[in-house]
Amino acid sequence: DVKVTQSSRYLVKRTGEKVFLECVQDMDHENMFWYRQDPGLGLRLIYFSYDVKMKEKGDIPEGYSVSREKKERFSLILESASTNQTSMYLCASSFLGQGYETQYFGPGTRLLVL
Amino acid sequence: SQQGEEDPQALSIQEGENATMNCSYKTSINNLQWYRQNSGRGLVHLILIRSNEREKHSGRLRVTLDTSKKSSSLLITASRAADTASYFCATSPYGGSQGNLIFGKGTKLSVKP
Repeated sequence: DVKVTQSSRYLVKRTGEKVFLECVQDMDHENMFWYRQDPGLGLRLIYFSYDVKMKEKGDIPEGYSVSREKKERFSLILESASTNQTSMYLCASSFLGQGYETQYFGPGTRLLVL
Repeated sequence: SQQGEEDPQALSIQEGENATMNCSYKTSINNLQWYRQNSGRGLVHLILIRSNEREKHSGRLRVTLDTSKKSSSLLITASRAADTASYFCATSPYGGSQGNLIFGKGTKLSVKP
């Protein structure tokens, strides 16, 4: 069965802290994605990666960075957390290539920055 | 860059009724997908329809696609309380980065027992 896991379901951090959100998939997918989801705004793409050590900016990359050292793992990093980064963060993965666009999502991490 | 727009934003029906949600998009697509999200959880893929298809069924789900109008609809027949969730359409833009999807803002469906 397809599985995408995220390191935490709930996280509370203070302003200025460095925050790591981890995502692991066991499907040998090339693509991995990080989204944030806010009420009324839907899902917005932060970063995605189509291969190890490769990354591409999405629609809202400011204030975030990512790391993909292994194929199965994609980390989202908030270098200095701010209150406007309080949100639900969703990781997803998919195969690379046309016809394989179905994305598989993790359960989400709800981050609160105080 | 939001492409899909779902309509209505919220829908409340009784168990046993049918629920119809619509999605409009702006550019040419390779395919369109529908996802479901239970409260506070990740999204789950429901169904994918390709740009050369007009209708697709999966269990109680029926999806239509009209590329001339750049719109799609999701019909859930004989709804159940367990269908209560948010439903999102997602498009794979023609010529876009492979694998990227553009999600709409979702329709929140409430099915009352």
